[in-house]
Amino acid sequence: EIVLTQSPATLSLSPGERATLSCRASQSVSSYLAWYQQKPGQAPRLLIFDTSNRATAIPARFSGSGSGTDFTLTISSLEPEDFAVYYCQQRSNWPRTFGQGTKVEIK
Amino acid sequence: EVLLLESGGGLVQPGGSLRLSCAASGFTFSTYAMSWVRQAPGKGLQWVSSITSSSGSTYYADSVKGRFTISRDNSKNTLYLQMSRLRAEDTAVYYCAKGGYASFWDIWGQGALVTVSS
Repeated sequence: EIVLTQSPATLSLSPGERATLSCRASQSVSSYLAWYQQKPGQAPRLLIFDTSNRATAIPARFSGSGSGTDFTLTISSLEPEDFAVYYCQQRSNWPRTFGQGTKVEIK
Repeated sequence: EVLLLESGGGLVQPGGSLRLSCAASGFTFSTYAMSWVRQAPGKGLQWVSSITSSSGSTYYADSVKGRFTISRDNSKNTLYLQMSRLRAEDTAVYYCAKGGYASFWDIWGQGALVTVSS
């Protein structure tokens, strides 16, 4: 099983600041990594797929990068609606696995 | 509008059974793989099971293998998850999601809460 480790667990930032979230895989997932956003009481929303492709209707302030085992989600300038939990997920191997999540909270 | 609507959640005793359904609309259901993903209270996301578009292949997390069965009826645009021998640790919100075989999950339902407790 591929283990995804996200860091940090919590990121405390102010609106307008840049957020950088990390996801490290226990073995290569090639480019088959996605990022999801989840707000309390809501279903997850796909933000980025295949490392760097924005999903439909996702604002340009969200970007993804990386390859192999190290990946990054960057939010260039935080909007109030961006404070949420973010999960990375791989589809390189079965079982599909998620990271444990990074909470982006208002400082 | 693309929609996934889960139903069938509820309270069940340990060792009991429950069947979740997921009604799809707004896209050609029969051409997409589908999946179930769950989230225990206050915890992260866990993939449960996936099925290919024609039901030719199914995949399960080890934690549910032999107890849960995923299926679909493309004539009814509906995905199912038959859960048996339920345990307390199966308590979670179960999400139906579009994709999961050669793609990521781009559409999610609102979730169905399953509580396993005596």
